[in-house]
Amino acid sequence: DAGVIQSPRHEVTEMGQEVTLRCKPISGHDYLFWYRQTMMRGLELLIYFNNNVPIDDSGMPEDRFSAKMPNASFSTLKIQPSEPRDSAVYFCASSFDSTGELFFGEGSRLTVL
Amino acid sequence: AQSVTQLGSHVSVSEGALVLLRCNYSSSVPPYLFWYVQYPNQGLQLLLKYTTGATLVKGINGFEAEFKKSETSFHLTKPSAHMSDAAEYFCAVSTGTYKYIFGTGTRLKVLA
Repeated sequence: DAGVIQSPRHEVTEMGQEVTLRCKPISGHDYLFWYRQTMMRGLELLIYFNNNVPIDDSGMPEDRFSAKMPNASFSTLKIQPSEPRDSAVYFCASSFDSTGELFFGEGSRLTVL
Repeated sequence: AQSVTQLGSHVSVSEGALVLLRCNYSSSVPPYLFWYVQYPNQGLQLLLKYTTGATLVKGINGFEAEFKKSETSFHLTKPSAHMSDAAEYFCAVSTGTYKYIFGTGTRLKVLA
């Protein structure tokens, strides 16, 4: 299996632009998570889906952030408009069993100038 | 509410020495406990996990951890450090509801 696939690996954009991050989970995994990692705040859960349905989005920082999962093999995290404080590494992870082991992608490093 | 505390944001050991990374947790229900490792520019990978049963858990790359309920600890150890162990290590707690709480991480440096 190819693992969790994220794109782009690196994104540099200017403040105010729209950013879309993409994730393909491992086939057969029913749960998908979006995390943000920064030096100041560590790993933060933004949102997670079960069977393509958002279950908990309480970690989404504000309305500028939105996430979708139109099917079992694809999810997007969108930031519009982007701000410099959104600069971070965004990880997608998926899981399949009740003990909750997470399988992480390699992350998307976002820099907002 | 759950929480995780990792003592020491940076730990240095000599190659061949014992590795000990500390993790204490707080949970109102029996926890699931995890250690993940993150190498530079990569995502997190599971080292080991405790759910139920045996309190001494063995993981990959020679690491192990012991769940001590009385001490609310889940420290990670390895008898002999290798240069390839240099990475950042995260302890995490969950109650099985998929809401993980991650610690702030410990960066392990291995000295030649």
